[in-house]
Amino acid sequence: AQSVAQPEDQVNVAEGNPLTVKCTYSVSGNPYLFWYVQYPNRGLQFLLKYITGDNLVKGSYGFEAEFNKSQTSFHLKKPSALVSDSALYFCAVRDEEGSNTGKLIFGQGTTLQVKP
Amino acid sequence: GAGVSQSPRYKVTKRGQDVALRCDPISGHVSLYWYRQALGQGPEFLTYFNYEAQQDKSGLPNDRFSAERPEGSISTLTIQRTEQRDSAMYRCASSALPGLAGTDTQYFGPGTRLTVL
Repeated sequence: AQSVAQPEDQVNVAEGNPLTVKCTYSVSGNPYLFWYVQYPNRGLQFLLKYITGDNLVKGSYGFEAEFNKSQTSFHLKKPSALVSDSALYFCAVRDEEGSNTGKLIFGQGTTLQVKP
Repeated sequence: GAGVSQSPRYKVTKRGQDVALRCDPISGHVSLYWYRQALGQGPEFLTYFNYEAQQDKSGLPNDRFSAERPEGSISTLTIQRTEQRDSAMYRCASSALPGLAGTDTQYFGPGTRLTVL
């Protein structure tokens, strides 16, 4: 079965420092991976996705993620964190079972807290 | 519209009542998804449409839940005889391409917070 794990419930980082939010996945075929961010009282906002090609994917708001097939990971990164980056982050993988659907399987989320 | 919209944003109902949640996808988007998100959890898939056809309803928890998209645009998720365990955030998403592509980005609405007393 397809699955996604976000091993950290919360990540704390000081403003200006680099940040990493971890995600590992398990799929039977090729993974299609996504990161979303959720701000309070707002919907999930798309950040970036990996489908194929370059292992380093660049997305919105200066975020990037590195696909590592051997470690089955897709960690979200940013070189310099902002206080405004504080939010709840979700990693998701496309479910390949039931091949005619694009339904996503989400991790449980990681709260990012950036302190001034 | 500019994004996916959902209504109502908040719904409080009594156990046993029926509720209808509405989703208005991004104009022209072919695929529409419903997810349910419990507090402290990630969203979980409920059902999915391509145009007006319901392609996958494997995530609907039981037969009290149903969804329709009769004209291939607006969708309604209906929960009959609500129970307290139905309390959650219900999220809708749409994507431009048919879900068969699987790689297309899903854009989410703000959600409907359902509370069943």
